[in-house]
Amino acid sequence: AQSVTQPDIHITVSEGASLELRCNYSYGATPYLFWYVQSPGQGLQLLLKYFSGDTLVQGIKGFEAEFKRSQSSFNLRKPSVHWSDAAEYFCAVGVRSNDYKLSFGAGTTVTVRA
Amino acid sequence: KAGVTQTPRYLIKTRGQQVTLSCSPISGHRSVSWYQQTPGQGLQFLFEYFSETQRNKGNFPGRFSGRQFSNSRSEMNVSTLELGDSALYLCASSQGQGGVPGELFFGEGSRLTVL
Repeated sequence: AQSVTQPDIHITVSEGASLELRCNYSYGATPYLFWYVQSPGQGLQLLLKYFSGDTLVQGIKGFEAEFKRSQSSFNLRKPSVHWSDAAEYFCAVGVRSNDYKLSFGAGTTVTVRA
Repeated sequence: KAGVTQTPRYLIKTRGQQVTLSCSPISGHRSVSWYQQTPGQGLQFLFEYFSETQRNKGNFPGRFSGRQFSNSRSEMNVSTLELGDSALYLCASSQGQGGVPGELFFGEGSRLTVL
C-alpha cells in the first residue's frame, strides 16, 4: 500500500522568507501526487498536482513542487511567504489503479511571523 | 459554480447515538468521497461513491456507512457513536470519470463532538 511521510510537523518562517515543505512517498510505481492546504476551520484546497511529464509543477498562490523519483520526494516550495500562507499543508498520493482514494501525510503546520 | 456543501457544520452527540451527515457535491461531479480528520490519526479515507455505488472503502468498522443518491448527493451515517468518533468529517467531490484523477474538491466539513 502507498504511504506518505511529512517529516516536519511544524515550521515557522518569517514573512518574505522562502519556504520548503518536505514530502516522501512509498509506492512501487509512479503515483499521482498532490499538495493540499487547509486554513483553520476550512476544508482542503488543492495547491498543485503531479501526474507525469515535467517534474517541476506550478500551483496556485505562487507555490511549486518538484517530483524527484530517485528520492521518492515531492517537496513544496514558495520563494517568499505571505502572512496568509499560515495554514496546514498536506501531501497526498493516489494510486493509478485506484484513482479516487488518496492517502494523506500527517500534515505540516506553517506559522508565519512578521 | 457552487462548491461542496456539507451539513450540518457542527453537531454534538452522546455516546450510543447515531448521526447522519450530508454532502452536496459540485454540480456535474458524480464521485463523492468521505474522509475523517482527527489530530491523532490525520486524514483517513472512509469511502467513495460513484453513481450510487460504493466504489472504494477504507478500514473503518461497519458502524460507518454511506450512500449516494441519484442526484449525486451523499450521506454518511455513524451508528452507536463512540468518543473516538469525534472528528471533522470531510466530503470531497470529483468528476469521477474522465476527469482529472484524484483532483478532489473538499467541503468545509462537519465537526462532530461525541460526549
